[in-house]
Amino acid sequence: TQLLEQSPQFLSIQEGENLTVYCNSSSVFSSLQWYRQEPGEGPVLLVTVVTGGEVKKLKRLTFQFGDARKDSSLHITAAQPGDTGLYLCAGPPGAGSYQLTFGKGTKLSVIP
Amino acid sequence: ETGVTQSPTHLIKTRGQQVTLRCSSQSGHNTVSWYQQALGQGPQFIFQYYREEENGRGNFPPRFSGLQFPNYSSELNVNALELDDSALYLCASSRGLAGGVGTQYFGPGTRLTVL
Repeated sequence: TQLLEQSPQFLSIQEGENLTVYCNSSSVFSSLQWYRQEPGEGPVLLVTVVTGGEVKKLKRLTFQFGDARKDSSLHITAAQPGDTGLYLCAGPPGAGSYQLTFGKGTKLSVIP
Repeated sequence: ETGVTQSPTHLIKTRGQQVTLRCSSQSGHNTVSWYQQALGQGPQFIFQYYREEENGRGNFPPRFSGLQFPNYSSELNVNALELDDSALYLCASSRGLAGGVGTQYFGPGTRLTVL
């Protein structure tokens, strides 16, 4: 079973600070996705990274896929209260797989 | 274009009962996946339906079953409910082909509590 380990599990920061959350595995993933989930709602896809070493930017969010495609990171610059939520990484456990394996998530709180 | 909808929003059942959860997929999507998200955990894959047939299953017992209808909406049925079945049940639809994840769009979930 391919597992995705996310760290930290919880993160509480002040508005304006920068942060990085991590998603690691001992297995290679053909792609990884990052989602944000707010209380009472389903996960919302933020980005998909496919190529080893790939960097994608979405406004203040920067996503990186490791060269070996075993890890990924999400960096948020100048965090805002609207960034509060559960950040989940997920990936198909094999090329052409029909399911997503999720990490446990990082619960981020941005304090005004 | 309407998004993924799920019903009911919340549900309370007792041990041993049966439950049916419903999902309407996003317009144009032919694949529905179901996930279970326990408190403090990430979602876990239950199964996927593609064009009305089960297209893969996670590590869940046979008392978890499903259906997909010709309009691609779907049901998740759970028999003989156990306390550990208490969770948020998420439905995700995609315009996927068999054997591929596709970009999945999640509904808001059904919160099931088993007493």
